[in-house]
Amino acid sequence: SQTIHQWPATLVQPVGSPLSLECTVEGTSNPNLYWYRQAAGRGLQLLFYSVGIGQISSEVPQNLSASRPQDRQFILSSKKLLLSDSGFYLCAWSRGGTSGGYEQYFGPGTRLTVT
Amino acid sequence: KNQVEQSPQSLIILEGKNCTLQCNYTVSPFSNLRWYKQDTGRGPVSLTIMTFSENTKSNGRYTATLDADTKQSSLHITASQLSDSASYICVVSENNDMRFGAGTRLTVKP
Repeated sequence: SQTIHQWPATLVQPVGSPLSLECTVEGTSNPNLYWYRQAAGRGLQLLFYSVGIGQISSEVPQNLSASRPQDRQFILSSKKLLLSDSGFYLCAWSRGGTSGGYEQYFGPGTRLTVT
Repeated sequence: KNQVEQSPQSLIILEGKNCTLQCNYTVSPFSNLRWYKQDTGRGPVSLTIMTFSENTKSNGRYTATLDADTKQSSLHITASQLSDSASYICVVSENNDMRFGAGTRLTVKP
């Protein structure tokens, strides 16, 4: 069976510090991978998606970047955090191919607080 | 303007009661519609998925309906339990894109 891991579960970082959130998927190969952000009381906002190693698409301009160094590893980064980067970050995967056509399975999320 | 609107924004019901959550969308062309349940501080978990030709889909005490003509969907929860307290998110797929509703926050009280 497939599983998706995210860490850390919670993170408190000062403004201006770097960020690295990691997501890994087990039990599948060549998945589509996604990073979402969910602000308090708001819906999910797609930040990045990837259909393969080294292939990253950004949905919105922002202070964040993503990388996919391995098939089942997706990393969300920032060089300098802003207060507005606070939120709940979710990684998700789906079967490879059409990004909207398949079920997305979400990780447990990372709660980021920028102080 | 969000292409997926959910109502109500929040809802409080007593344990054992039924409730219905609404999702209206303007996404076109339409591929499929999903309802997710998201417990606080956790990732969303899929409840149902419906394609254009499906009118209803059940998953235990959860029943989703879809009217593709009026572009409306509902999620009906029967005999609510305390564990049903969560956010319920409607997601509509438009070809390669997924459009998320803001969710309905349901609280079930004893």
